[in-house]
Amino acid sequence: GENVEQHPSTLSVQEGDSAVIKCTYSDSASNYFPWYKQELGKGSQLIIDIRSNVGEKKDQRIAVTLNKTAKHFSLHITETQPEDSAVYFCAASTGGFKTIFGAGTRLFVKA
Amino acid sequence: NAGVTQTPKFQVLKTGQSMTLQCAQDMNHNSMYWYRQDPGMGLRLIYYSASEGTTDKGEVPDGYNVSRLKKQNFLLGLESAAPSQTSVYFCASSYPRVSGGTGELFFGEGSRLTVL
Repeated sequence: GENVEQHPSTLSVQEGDSAVIKCTYSDSASNYFPWYKQELGKGSQLIIDIRSNVGEKKDQRIAVTLNKTAKHFSLHITETQPEDSAVYFCAASTGGFKTIFGAGTRLFVKA
Repeated sequence: NAGVTQTPKFQVLKTGQSMTLQCAQDMNHNSMYWYRQDPGMGLRLIYYSASEGTTDKGEVPDGYNVSRLKKQNFLLGLESAAPSQTSVYFCASSYPRVSGGTGELFFGEGSRLTVL
């Protein structure tokens, strides 16, 4: 079955710097790659997603890139702010009801 | 708009006890899901319900049962709790894409379960 690996597990950056989180997936049939943000004590929320027919997608300070050949995708956050501090999960799906999540990255943004 | 509501938020059980986690959504979503979150392992799908009255196994269904009698409710049951079921449980709902896939998942705030 699908396996999603996520790195790093913890990331600490200075406010204003960029943060990059990387994920790899194993199932070449995966075609949908969402990213979720989980703030302390809350449920996860979708922040951006990308489909396999697109190589890059951007939404203000957040961007996601996808390399289908290498089976990896990355989240880029620019101009980080303290409110970006959270746990971020990447995920992959083949289009069914089973979304496979990575282990998560805890991002700390130091003011 | 409440979104996805889970009860209880905290529960402590003894090994062998049973309990039910309740999930309710008010977004008229067709599909609902139960995940568990453990340190270093991310979110793992326990069971899902594509539509009212249907349920299917996810990645880690052993030791759990589910019920989806009403569109807005999805129940997760533990018949005989074990310490390995100590975890944070998240319910989610979605309106699946016409082209396939779950669509955006909307999560509840989680239920922390400890089994002693």
